[in-house]
Amino acid sequence: NAGVTQTPKFRILKIGQSMTLQCTQDMNHNYMYWYRQDPGMGLKLIYYSVGAGITDKGEVPNGYNVSRSTTEDFPLRLELAAPSQTSVYFCASSRLGGGASGNTIYFGEGSWLTVV
Amino acid sequence: GDSVTQMEGPVTLSEEAFLTINCTYTATGYPSLFWYVQYPGEGLQLLLKATKADDKGSNKGFEATYRKETTSFHLEKGSVQVSDSAVYFCALKRADGLTFGKGTHLIIQP
Repeated sequence: NAGVTQTPKFRILKIGQSMTLQCTQDMNHNYMYWYRQDPGMGLKLIYYSVGAGITDKGEVPNGYNVSRSTTEDFPLRLELAAPSQTSVYFCASSRLGGGASGNTIYFGEGSWLTVV
Repeated sequence: GDSVTQMEGPVTLSEEAFLTINCTYTATGYPSLFWYVQYPGEGLQLLLKATKADDKGSNKGFEATYRKETTSFHLEKGSVQVSDSAVYFCALKRADGLTFGKGTHLIIQP
């Protein structure tokens, strides 16, 4: 089972460069999410999507963009990379959203991004 | 807003010791609660979950009970192993995803 797949796993960017973190899931989940994890901190939600064509901001959306043209894919774009975006990024998906009882969110393995 | 508070680490224990990692939450209603584990160099994995009050989640020798009266979801294990060394995250479910605690780094010494 592939589950949630993110690429690349590691990347070093220069300030001002742009890049896209790819995320795909093969579980036909409607809900997808992007989180970032800073050292010693919990995860913070960047953007999420409740279905193809629908995206919404999370807690820390500034400096990022997303799109959801298909159910499977939810890429995260950094347009002008800044050192503050050095972090570990996790993509996730779930079949249901909200407080649905027993719903589980599945995570990718993470993408380690360093901006220098 | 919703929040999760967990004990700060690092927590250092000897092998076979008893483990408790405290987690309390603030939320509207009764959200589902989760423990995730992150082993060195890896992504997050779901460890266990509970969806309603008094539910007990368990996996790999770890347990946590959803306590509505104390708004807690403490993680316990009777006898830890070196392979349990990882960062543990408590989380609650909300409409747009999960709210996580800051994580507790657990170090088990042989």
